[in-house]
Amino acid sequence: AQTVTQSQPEMSVQEAETVTLSCTYDTSESDYYLFWYKQPPSRQMILVIRQEAYKQQNATENRFSVNFQKAAKSFSLKISDSQLGDAAMYFCAYRNSRTFGNKLVFGAGTILRVKS
Amino acid sequence: DAGITQSPRHKVTETGTPVTLRCHQTENHRYMYWYRQDPGHGLRLIHYSYGVKDTDKGEVSDGYSVSRSKTEDFLLTLESATSSQTSVYFCATRTGPTGELFFGEGSRLTVL
Repeated sequence: AQTVTQSQPEMSVQEAETVTLSCTYDTSESDYYLFWYKQPPSRQMILVIRQEAYKQQNATENRFSVNFQKAAKSFSLKISDSQLGDAAMYFCAYRNSRTFGNKLVFGAGTILRVKS
Repeated sequence: DAGITQSPRHKVTETGTPVTLRCHQTENHRYMYWYRQDPGHGLRLIHYSYGVKDTDKGEVSDGYSVSRSKTEDFLLTLESATSSQTSVYFCATRTGPTGELFFGEGSRLTVL
């Protein structure tokens, strides 16, 4: 079974600085999708960014970018110019393109604290 | 947004009582999912549906059942709630070719 590991239970960053959240996954598949979700205190799950495994180019969404290392099965999230509103729980998730039901497998999450 | 509404948003119940959580979507999405969120575990899949009356188990399905009689509604039932089922429950639907999920706002269930 595929697993997703987020090894950092908590991270802190100073406002305006850059922080990187780590994620590794275990799979024998070559075609899959990876996602980062943000969960602020409101509990709402918000999609931050996604990456298709067949694309070599790292995905970017404004201040959010990923470092996708397919051979290493690593998918880290970089947040630049951190803002107070970035404080949240961040979840890394994996989806195998061939698995029936298109189910997402989530990591345990990383709490990000932003200091002013 | 996929227009996903969960009800109730908060519920406190006693051990042994039945509980039903409802998920309603307005986007006509085929796939719907129920996850539970617990500290240290992230989100874990309970059950999912790939169409009306078509459902399958996820990784933590014991003690739960689901039903989907209409495209827009996906019900999660705890036949006899236990304290280990105290959790936050999320409904999600799948949209788009890349398959990201859109989530409801969650339902916090406390079993005393």
